Amino acid sequence: RKEVEQDPGPFNVPEGATVAFNCTYSNSASQSFFWYRQDCRKEPKLLMSVYSSGNEDGRFTAQLNRASQYISLLIRDSKLSDSATYLCVVNTVGSYIPTFGRGTSLIVHP
Amino acid sequence: DVKVTQSSRYLVKRTGEKVFLECVQDMDHENMFWYRQDPGLGLRLIYFSYDVKMKEKGDIPEGYSVSREKKERFSLILESASTNQTSMYLCASSPHRGSYEQYFGPGTRLTVT
Repeated sequence: RKEVEQDPGPFNVPEGATVAFNCTYSNSASQSFFWYRQDCRKEPKLLMSVYSSGNEDGRFTAQLNRASQYISLLIRDSKLSDSATYLCVVNTVGSYIPTFGRGTSLIVHP
Repeated sequence: DVKVTQSSRYLVKRTGEKVFLECVQDMDHENMFWYRQDPGLGLRLIYFSYDVKMKEKGDIPEGYSVSREKKERFSLILESASTNQTSMYLCASSPHRGSYEQYFGPGTRLTVT
């Protein structure tokens, strides 16, 4: 079983739609969680951290469910520029090596 | 802003050549990482370093070596390039042992023919 699993997609949505991705992790000792965004042929960039209480940054909301061991990313009012691959990243207590999911592809069309 | 630079954006090498990929970060970060990224396989860790002259193997170190003589520079070496090492190579850094956010360089697209 992979440590961090994501639906690869692609998720194909119209502009203005709300879309959500989930990411499941297998190690219950996981401590820190992040979402990264990777545009086509570019490097991954940190989008947001995921806090236990959930957090919001504009149109983006991240949530953590420790009991079910998954994190989610919700994007409201999708823009064409949101088209990218979204990587889920998990860190485990005592390790500073992050574990990356394989990413979920989002395509926002007019 | 943190800046991580890589020596080349695109590189074409022949089978058997020795290949050097260089990565430099300008924010005094302690940790540096080398990944390769392939379609369908995601990011895979090759090597990482948490201090000058220190290195640790990642998930796929075979066929690679690394060097960290200065804090800001982390080099990836392909001793004898093979076609299955054709890939996108990404360098990353993070501030210190307890920090998990990574900052990536722009990547080097390596083609081995």
